[in-house]
Amino acid sequence: DSGVTQTPKHLITATGQRVTLRCSPRSGDLSVYWYQQSLDQGLQFLIQYYNGEERAKGNILERFSAQQFPDLHSELNLSSLELGDSALYFCASSALLAEQETQYFGPGTRLLVL
Amino acid sequence: GNSVTQMEGPVTLSEEAFLTINCTYTATGYPSLFWYVQYPGEGLQLLLKATKADDKGSNKGFEATYRKETTSFHLEKGSVQVSDSAVYFCALRGNAGGTSYGKLTFGQGTILTVHP
Repeated sequence: DSGVTQTPKHLITATGQRVTLRCSPRSGDLSVYWYQQSLDQGLQFLIQYYNGEERAKGNILERFSAQQFPDLHSELNLSSLELGDSALYFCASSALLAEQETQYFGPGTRLLVL
Repeated sequence: GNSVTQMEGPVTLSEEAFLTINCTYTATGYPSLFWYVQYPGEGLQLLLKATKADDKGSNKGFEATYRKETTSFHLEKGSVQVSDSAVYFCALRGNAGGTSYGKLTFGQGTILTVHP
């Protein structure tokens, strides 16, 4: 158990809909990362927050957005969903920003768009 | 940009066989290198890491050495077990600075199956 929790574990929805994925980092970790794992793209970095502020951005679509709240949990919002958004979405956390910091991953949220 | 290339899988071995999973990378500067493992139905777990050239990361019998001259970080284990069956990901994290400071760049993953 990494200490990172994600809800829900599974999500089934329809095209055009909007969903929110939630992540609680390990106790004391200030940095949260979101990754998408799909069969065709592999594991890709989406976005990083540090202590409530956006810190780094990857290949995140404009239809997707995220935020980190004062209690350090984070939410990833996916809107106008398409079939291709079906994937496993991971959240990870680390204590600080240093490049040696280990990122601890949650169990993921599996999203299926029908 | 940064990239990681892993050997093609899947890899199928008998118990107690020797394992090598090749990983090479492209990056500017001095990245940190990682191996993560994903067991069926679970998230990614850090297996080992190395943060500078010639460092050797090791854990649970697995080892990998950060070779800057060959830009490689190959994963090895002397004697695999059935319980090692999983997907293994090589990853790198770039230096400080830039807009992609925090991100891990992953290889495509290698599926390992170990038979009794």
